[in-house]
Amino acid sequence: DIQLTQSPSFLSASVGDRVTITCRTSQGIGSYLAWYQQKPGKAPKLLIYTASTLQSGVPSTFSGSGSGTEFTLTISSLQPEDFATYYCQQLHSYPITFGQGTRLEIK
Amino acid sequence: EVQLVESGGGVIQPGGSLRLSCAASGFTVSSNYMSWVRQPPGKGLEWVSVIYSDGTTHYADSVKGRFTISRDNSKNTLYLQMNSLTAEDAAVYYCARGERGSGSNYWGQGTLVTVSS
Repeated sequence: DIQLTQSPSFLSASVGDRVTITCRTSQGIGSYLAWYQQKPGKAPKLLIYTASTLQSGVPSTFSGSGSGTEFTLTISSLQPEDFATYYCQQLHSYPITFGQGTRLEIK
Repeated sequence: EVQLVESGGGVIQPGGSLRLSCAASGFTVSSNYMSWVRQPPGKGLEWVSVIYSDGTTHYADSVKGRFTISRDNSKNTLYLQMNSLTAEDAAVYYCARGERGSGSNYWGQGTLVTVSS
C-alpha cells in the first residue's frame, strides 16, 4: 500500500498568512493526488485534483503543486473560513489512501 | 442538482451485519465512479470501496471479504453491505461521486455506524 505522510500534523496561523502543507508518498504516484478540506461535522470538500488542478468554485487562494512523491497545498492568504482539517489522497493505485490530516487552527 | 443521501447506519452488535444505502439524484449512479469512505469518530479519513461504471470493484484490505459494494440502477442507489462487523468498523460512512484518478467532488452527509454490545 502507498503511505501518505502529511506535515505538519498541526498548524497554527493567522488570518492573512501564507501556509503550506506537504504530503509525501511512499512510492511515486505521478500527479494522482487530491487535496480535501474538512470542517467539523461536515463531509470533505475537494479542493485540488491531479496535484494542481483547482476544483470549480474553490477560491484561487488555494493552489497545489508537485509530482512523484512530494506534493504541496498552499493557501496564499488565510481567510477565517479556511480554518479546518486538510487531507491529501492518492489515486494512483489501490487501495486508495489518505494522509493523516493537517489541522489548521487560528493563532 | 447533484445530491447524495446516505441511510442505514445505527447501532449493531459485533459480528452483525448492516446495509448502508446512498440515494442519488441529479445524475445516474450506474454511469459514475462511486466510492465509500469512512471516518472513525475523531480520526482521519479511510477509503473503503469503489465501483466503476463498468461494474469493476475494489476494496480496502481491512474490509475485503466482509463488505460488498453494489448498486440498484432502478433505484439509482449505491449500497454497502457490511458483514462480520467489529469495533474497528465504527465510523461515519460517506458515499461520494468522482472521477477515476481525480478524487470525489460530491459527497453525502454521512451515516454513523456504531458497533457495540
